[in-house]
Amino acid sequence: DTAVSQTPKYLVTQMGNDKSIKCEQNLGHDTMYWYKQDSKKFLKIMFSYNNKELIINETVPNRFSPKSPDKAHLNLHINSLELGDSAVYFCASSHLTGGRTDTQYFGPGTRLTVL
Amino acid sequence: GESVGLHLPTLSVQEGDNSIINCAYSNSASDYFIWYKQESGKGPQFIIDIRSNMDKRQGQRVTVLLNKTVKHLSLQIAATQPGDSAVYFCAERRENYGQNFVFGPGTRLSVLP
Repeated sequence: DTAVSQTPKYLVTQMGNDKSIKCEQNLGHDTMYWYKQDSKKFLKIMFSYNNKELIINETVPNRFSPKSPDKAHLNLHINSLELGDSAVYFCASSHLTGGRTDTQYFGPGTRLTVL
Repeated sequence: GESVGLHLPTLSVQEGDNSIINCAYSNSASDYFIWYKQESGKGPQFIIDIRSNMDKRQGQRVTVLLNKTVKHLSLQIAATQPGDSAVYFCAERRENYGQNFVFGPGTRLSVLP
């Protein structure tokens, strides 16, 4: 009965590879997000999806592409992985009420290590 | 853009004492604030929130204080326990950020036995 789940929890891969991280929420939320947390624990939003539409897209490389097959899922696909992509990636979800983000609930994170 | 901390501030507290974690925010138009707790190997977990029309809100063992004059937010934890050891983040909902949340740099709370 996990609210926001991510797979895999750990991902180790070589530079140049393409990988995906999956996220699912069963909270009935209409908006989902991807965050990147660096080694200093700084959390920065990457993407936000509302009703299958991208509503914000921070200045992340276009090697990163979010894909949302339905309202409960937001996957993150990364092409041509680089060493600097190593981080923990968190999925989150929330309601969007009157154009404003309500409380976000986070998944357990995916630790990506690029060798 | 957001400020990036050079290091993670750490607060060490004796078990049983009260903890106060502080956060400065930058946008006076921010209307909603949340404190999150992140334990090692886990995602951030909601602790308590406060809206800008309030200056204090209490939960179970936690209190959040909001001072809009100086744009300051604090989290008080009463009778700190070992299970409170974690990184704590404040998050502000910014009007000029698509009404999305911007997270502070985090504070690591270490509870000493």
